Amino acid sequence: TQLLEQSPQFLSIQEGENLTVYCNSSSVFSSLQWYRQEPGEGPVLLVTVVTGGEVKKLKRLTFQFGDARKDSSLHITAAQPGDTGLYLCAGTNAGGTSYGKLTFGQGTILTVHP
Amino acid sequence: NAGVTQTPKFRILKIGQSMTLQCAQDMNHNYMYWYRQDPGMGLKLIYYSVGAGITDKGEVPNGYNVSRSTTEDFPLRLELAAPSQTSVYFCASRWTVNYGYTFGSGTRLTVV
Repeated sequence: TQLLEQSPQFLSIQEGENLTVYCNSSSVFSSLQWYRQEPGEGPVLLVTVVTGGEVKKLKRLTFQFGDARKDSSLHITAAQPGDTGLYLCAGTNAGGTSYGKLTFGQGTILTVHP
Repeated sequence: NAGVTQTPKFRILKIGQSMTLQCAQDMNHNYMYWYRQDPGMGLKLIYYSVGAGITDKGEVPNGYNVSRSTTEDFPLRLELAAPSQTSVYFCASRWTVNYGYTFGSGTRLTVV
């Protein structure tokens, strides 16, 4: 079973601060995704990264896939209260027949205070 | 498009009762999945399907069953409910393996 370790588990910051969430594994993933989940709702896809070293930007969010495709990071610049939520990383197995099954990290709960 | 629709949204079951969680998608996705989410544990895969008539076990299948008679529907059956099955259940679908999941809004189940 592939494991994804997310850190930190909890993050409480003030509006305007920057933050980085990490997602690490000893396994190689063919692709990695980041989701954001709000209370009472299902996760919503933010980004998919598939190439080692890839960097994608979504407004104030920057996502990076590690060169060896074993880790990823999410950086938020000038956080806003609307960024509050649960952030989940999820990877697709690089080997074998995975049928697109995702392995999820345990999540990072982000709270941005006004 | 409605996306992925899950019903019911909330349910309380007594130990030993059975129920079916419904999941329907209108995007013609072949791949469908059932996950459960427990606090601090991320999402764990229960069952998945790669197309109508094809299902397989995920990481935590015990106590659950699924069927996939059509592309649109992927119900999850709980037999003999136990307190350990108290969780939030999410159904998801995707177009192909490197596309993102589309999740339903979840079913919060409590077994007492």
